[in-house]
Amino acid sequence: EAGVAQSPRYKIIEKRQSVAFWCNPISGHATLYWYQQILGQGPKLLIQFQNNGVVDDSQLPKDRFSAERLKGVDSTLKIQPAKLEDSAVYLCASSLHQKNIQYFGAGTRLSVL
Amino acid sequence: GDSVTQMEGPVTLSEEAFLTINCTYTATGYPSLFWYVQYPGEGLQLLLKATKADDKGSNKGFEATYRKETTSFHLEKGSVQVSDSAVYFCALSDPGNRDDKIIFGKGTRLHILP
Repeated sequence: EAGVAQSPRYKIIEKRQSVAFWCNPISGHATLYWYQQILGQGPKLLIQFQNNGVVDDSQLPKDRFSAERLKGVDSTLKIQPAKLEDSAVYLCASSLHQKNIQYFGAGTRLSVL
Repeated sequence: GDSVTQMEGPVTLSEEAFLTINCTYTATGYPSLFWYVQYPGEGLQLLLKATKADDKGSNKGFEATYRKETTSFHLEKGSVQVSDSAVYFCALSDPGNRDDKIIFGKGTRLHILP
């Protein structure tokens, strides 16, 4: 069974630029999550989708971050414009349904200069 | 709100040493508790879990017991290997919540020396 796929693995941008990350969850998983993991900290949930609907985006900085899962399968997370403090690893996870075990991708490491 | 506190790293041990990584939690309900492991360059993997008091989760030689009286979920292994070098995250999920949000600790980096 293929795992959660994320791309790119690494991205370096300058502040005020835009960036987008892509995630393809495990086939059949209805729930998809985006986390932000700042160096030295645990992952923090940014947004949770159930199929193509948003369940929780309370921690998403909506002035600059956006995410979509239009067809209920893969998802993109966008930052526009980026700030220095956005430097982090962005992790995508999926689960069969809510309250099931979450499976994580390898993440995208973002450096904002 | 709910939170997880785990011992700061890095923790450096020799191969075959005994490992303990402390974890305590604060929760309003009766949470499920987890240990995740993150190997270099990889995503998080669920290592073990426990869903109620006195449950013991175990996997790959690692164990953790859900202690409600001390609100703890310490990770232990009797004899560590170099391949156990990774970052370990303690986490909780409160089933009383509508969603299954996981609250993670800050992580403990483990180095095992040959």
